[in-house]
Amino acid sequence: RKEVEQDPGPFNVPEGATVAFNCTYSNSASQSFFWYRQDCRKEPKLLMSVYSSGNEDGRFTAQLNRASQYISLLIRDSKLSDSATYLCAVNKGYGGSQGNLIFGKGTKLSVKP
Amino acid sequence: EPEVTQTPSHQVTQMGQEVILRCVPISNHLYFYWYRQILGQKVEFLVSFYNNEISEKSEIFDDQFSVERPDGSNFTLKIRSTKLEDSAMYFCASSEANPTQHFGDGTRLSIL
Repeated sequence: RKEVEQDPGPFNVPEGATVAFNCTYSNSASQSFFWYRQDCRKEPKLLMSVYSSGNEDGRFTAQLNRASQYISLLIRDSKLSDSATYLCAVNKGYGGSQGNLIFGKGTKLSVKP
Repeated sequence: EPEVTQTPSHQVTQMGQEVILRCVPISNHLYFYWYRQILGQKVEFLVSFYNNEISEKSEIFDDQFSVERPDGSNFTLKIRSTKLEDSAMYFCASSEANPTQHFGDGTRLSIL
């Protein structure tokens, strides 16, 4: 099983649609979880950290299910500017350890007018 | 908003040559990282650095690679003898005590 696995995509959706991305991770000791977005040939930009209780930031909602080792990202009312590749990242550190980020391959989203 | 800066934005080098990629992390950050992304592939961890020493490195980070923090602001990645397969985007990242990492805009390394 790959360390971090994401929906292969691409997702092509109309403006205003709701789209959900899924991610699974293999290391049950993982402690920190993130969603990044990456535009073509640009750096990953932090979108959201993901907490056990779930968290919301405007149109974006992230959920973590530790029992299933599963992370999700929901985008509501999608905009053209949401078009990007969405990367799931997991920090394998425990407690105070920083550790490295393990990234999934990403899911490409294209929002069409 | 403070940001991680990287130079150069694009480096073209002949195979076998040494290359140094430079990064200025966010000033109050304590943890520093290098990642790379080969075109069309996922972002891969290379090395992490804390308290003036390597804290973790991946299998990719072999003897051809080294990192240094020569002064209080710069963090460099050196590749001693570049190979064609070293062509990639190289990203520097930094973080405070929390695990959230902020990435620089990368250096595109092209090996000819």
